[in-house]
Amino acid sequence: TQLLEQSPQFLSIQEGENLTVYCNSSSVFSSLQWYRQEPGEGPVLLVTVVTGGEVKKLKRLTFQFGDARKDSSLHITAAQPGDTGLYLCAGLYAGGTSYGKLTFGQGTILTVHP
Amino acid sequence: NAGVMQNPRHLVRRRGQEARLRCSPMKGHSHVYWYRQLPEEGLKFMVYLQKENIIDESGMPKERFSAEFPKEGPSILRIQQVVRGDSAAYFCASSPQAGRHHEQYFGPGTRLTVT
Repeated sequence: TQLLEQSPQFLSIQEGENLTVYCNSSSVFSSLQWYRQEPGEGPVLLVTVVTGGEVKKLKRLTFQFGDARKDSSLHITAAQPGDTGLYLCAGLYAGGTSYGKLTFGQGTILTVHP
Repeated sequence: NAGVMQNPRHLVRRRGQEARLRCSPMKGHSHVYWYRQLPEEGLKFMVYLQKENIIDESGMPKERFSAEFPKEGPSILRIQQVVRGDSAAYFCASSPQAGRHHEQYFGPGTRLTVT
C-alpha cells in the first residue's frame, strides 16, 4: 500500500505570514498533484508535477517535487484569508498497474486570520 | 465548458435501501474514477472505468457496491442494501485520455446519508 504522509494536519496563521505544507512517502510516484477543497465541494486541481526536482509557481503558491519523486511541498507566500481551505496532495504510484488510482494524503486544513 | 457533474448532490437513504449515484464526465473525457471520503478520513480510490469497461476496481468493497460506465449516459455507482457505514461523500473525477491520469478533475460530490 502506498501512503502519502501530509503535514501539518492543521495550520493556523496570520495574514501575511508564509507557510509550507509537506507531502512525504517511501514510494516513488510518477506524478504528484495538489488540490484545494472547499467545504461541501469537490477537490480543485491546483497543479501537477511530474519531473523530479520540478518547481512550479502559481501566483503566491510554489510547488516542488523532490528529486527522487517521493515527496513534494507547497509553499504559500504572504498568506491571505482567501487561502483558507483544505489542501490535499495526491500521487500516482510509479510501480503499480493501475494507472488511474490516485493516492491522497490526509490533507492540511489551513486557516488564515485577518 | 461544463465541468464534471454529479447528481444528486445530497441523498438520504434508510438502511437496506439502494443508492444510485450518477456522474457525467467533462466533455471529451472518457475516463472516470470514483472516490469515497469518509468523515475524518482522506479520499480513497474505489474504481476506475472507461466506456463499457472496468479497468481497476481494487478499492471497491466486494459486496453491495458496483459501478458502470455505459456507452451512452453517465457513470453510475450503485450501493445495494446500504448501511450506516456507507454514509460518506462520494466523488467522481474524469480525465481526458490514457496517459493523462494525473489530470483528474473532480465533481462536486454526492453526500450520502444513511439513516
